[in-house]
Amino acid sequence: EPEVTQTPSHQVTQMGQEVILRCVPISNHLYFYWYRQILGQKVEFLVSFYNNEISEKSEIFDDQFSVERPDGSNFTLKIRSTKLEDSAMYFCASRLAGTGVGGYTFGSGTRLTVV
Amino acid sequence: AQSVTQLGSHVSVSEGALVLLRCNYSSSVPPYLFWYVQYPNQGLQLLLKYTSAATLVKGINGFEAEFKKSETSFHLTKPSAHMSDAAEYFCAVSGRETSGSRLTFGEGTQLTVNP
Repeated sequence: EPEVTQTPSHQVTQMGQEVILRCVPISNHLYFYWYRQILGQKVEFLVSFYNNEISEKSEIFDDQFSVERPDGSNFTLKIRSTKLEDSAMYFCASRLAGTGVGGYTFGSGTRLTVV
Repeated sequence: AQSVTQLGSHVSVSEGALVLLRCNYSSSVPPYLFWYVQYPNQGLQLLLKYTSAATLVKGINGFEAEFKKSETSFHLTKPSAHMSDAAEYFCAVSGRETSGSRLTFGEGTQLTVNP
């Protein structure tokens, strides 16, 4: 069964450093998403991406965050200058067009720890 | 705007007993509703979804949920719990499909199944 692949599974970084979280969505999917889950809290929407541009973003997704689909297969989330409160599990998801919101496939997540 | 409330952050049942996980939603538009399961160190797996067809929705692993508009509820049930059902369960809501189609998640319910 096709999977959404996220790398790395765990990343530790120092406060103020830039991090890039990587995702390989399912190859024929057209919509891409990032969500995050701070330990002990709910899963929160960050951003959606379609047709090479952001289609929707939450209030969490400020200027410190950016997304990119650099090569037609990868989908990345960059945090420019990490803060302690960015420590969380970050989930990538993708879906086909026309399958409705139920067509999401989530990756296994990247656990980011900012120290 | 949409939101969901999951009643009970922890639910414990005996193997073979009924599983009932509660979810109430709030939505300004007709909602799409979902249940996801998360096993340790894994991503979010879709259990079932309601997208305005049948109000009783059957999902994977013997789970089902009933959409009750009058009660704004979408509770998840399973007649007989298995040990393998132990996981965290998330209820989520979305509005009509748009190019973004963000999911709004509840806080999650940790299900423990006792032998």
